[in-house]
Amino acid sequence: QLQLQESGPGLVKPSETLSLTCTVSGGSISSSSYYWGWIRQPPGKGLEWIGSIYYSGSTYYNPSLKSRVTISVDTSKNQFSLKLSSVTAADTAVYYCARPAWQWLDGPFDYWGQGTLVTVSS
Amino acid sequence: EIVLTQSPGTLSLSPGERATLSCRASQSVSSSYLAWYQQKPGQAPRLLIYGASSRATGIPDRFSGSGSGTDFTLTISRLEPEDFAVYYCQQYGSSTGTFGQGTKVEIK
Repeated sequence: QLQLQESGPGLVKPSETLSLTCTVSGGSISSSSYYWGWIRQPPGKGLEWIGSIYYSGSTYYNPSLKSRVTISVDTSKNQFSLKLSSVTAADTAVYYCARPAWQWLDGPFDYWGQGTLVTVSS
Repeated sequence: EIVLTQSPGTLSLSPGERATLSCRASQSVSSSYLAWYQQKPGQAPRLLIYGASSRATGIPDRFSGSGSGTDFTLTISRLEPEDFAVYYCQQYGSSTGTFGQGTKVEIK
């Protein structure tokens, strides 16, 4: 059974870079043609797709965040990562990593991590 | 970029009633790549419907999806106590997976 687990600092200072890692177990990131995604949810608000990375390394980002986002894969550790630069309080959210149900398609997301709350505050 | 607008924002219903949720896209969603999720407090979203009308594994048949192009609907035929939650639609297949803003189904 595929499992995803987010990890990273729970508190980030304004203007700094938020860095999160998603560790995948029960399946290999590099052995199948899946997309791997990041989604966030500010407290009390809705879901926002941040971006996705294809197993080949191609990346796709939300246009509203594109200038600040980098998603990468580390196949040796079976992990993929999110970096969001120049954060503000508006970036405070629960961050989820997720994987779609099927290969070659960027959705829908069927496997989700439990989510990790990142607070931006000095 | 496709924008998804869900309505209503909140739906107040009683157990046993029928719930009808709408998701409208700013442009046509290709191949009906439209999904619905359920989210309860403190939990990750759960996939209910994909391809506009196909139920995900383990989803009860009281949940059904319909629609194509720009107009999609999620119907819950008879609300069970565990169905009171927030529901989101999402379009996919274009490498940008935007979500609607959500509809909260609350107990009346």
